[in-house]
Amino acid sequence: RKEVEQDPGPFNVPEGATVAFNCTYSNSASQSFFWYRQDCRKEPKLLMSVYSSGNEDGRFTAQLNRASQYISLLIRDSKLSDSATYLCAVNLNTGKLIFGQGTTLQVKP
Amino acid sequence: GAGVSQTPSNKVTEKGKYVELRCDPISGHTALYWYRQSLGQGPEFLIYFQGTGAADDSGLPNDRFFAVRPEGSVSTLKIQRTERGDSAVYLCASSPHGGGPTEAFFGQGTRLTVV
Repeated sequence: RKEVEQDPGPFNVPEGATVAFNCTYSNSASQSFFWYRQDCRKEPKLLMSVYSSGNEDGRFTAQLNRASQYISLLIRDSKLSDSATYLCAVNLNTGKLIFGQGTTLQVKP
Repeated sequence: GAGVSQTPSNKVTEKGKYVELRCDPISGHTALYWYRQSLGQGPEFLIYFQGTGAADDSGLPNDRFFAVRPEGSVSTLKIQRTERGDSAVYLCASSPHGGGPTEAFFGQGTRLTVV
């Protein structure tokens, strides 16, 4: 089993739609959690950190469920510019930072 | 620039040759990570440095791969006897310190092609 798993998609949604991605992790000692965005042929960039209480940044909401060992990302009112690959990342208590395969989102006009 | 810098940006080498990939992290960042990314995949963990020492090298695929960070800043990933399967984008990231809630910042990567 992979340490961090994501549905690769692609998720094809119309502009204005709400879309949600999940990411599961296997190590219960995982300490911190992140969502990164990666555009084609570019490096990953942090979208948001994921806190235990959940956090929101504009149209983006991240949630953590430690009991079920998954994190989620919700995007509301999707824009064309949201089209990208979304990577979840898990930082183990050893400092090792592991990424999932990524979920591809295509927002269509 | 204050970001993570990787050189070269592209490297084409012949099968069997030796290559070195360089990473200049953000100044003051103690944690440095190397990843390998193939098309359609997420970054695959290779090795993580905390200061000068390799805190976790469990992702290095075999003994042809080696990485150093002698002064706790610049790191070099070394690949011996390259194989076509080594072709990928090699990403470096740095973080103020490993193991915490702070993000890792990526360089733009080195695209390695083994022909």
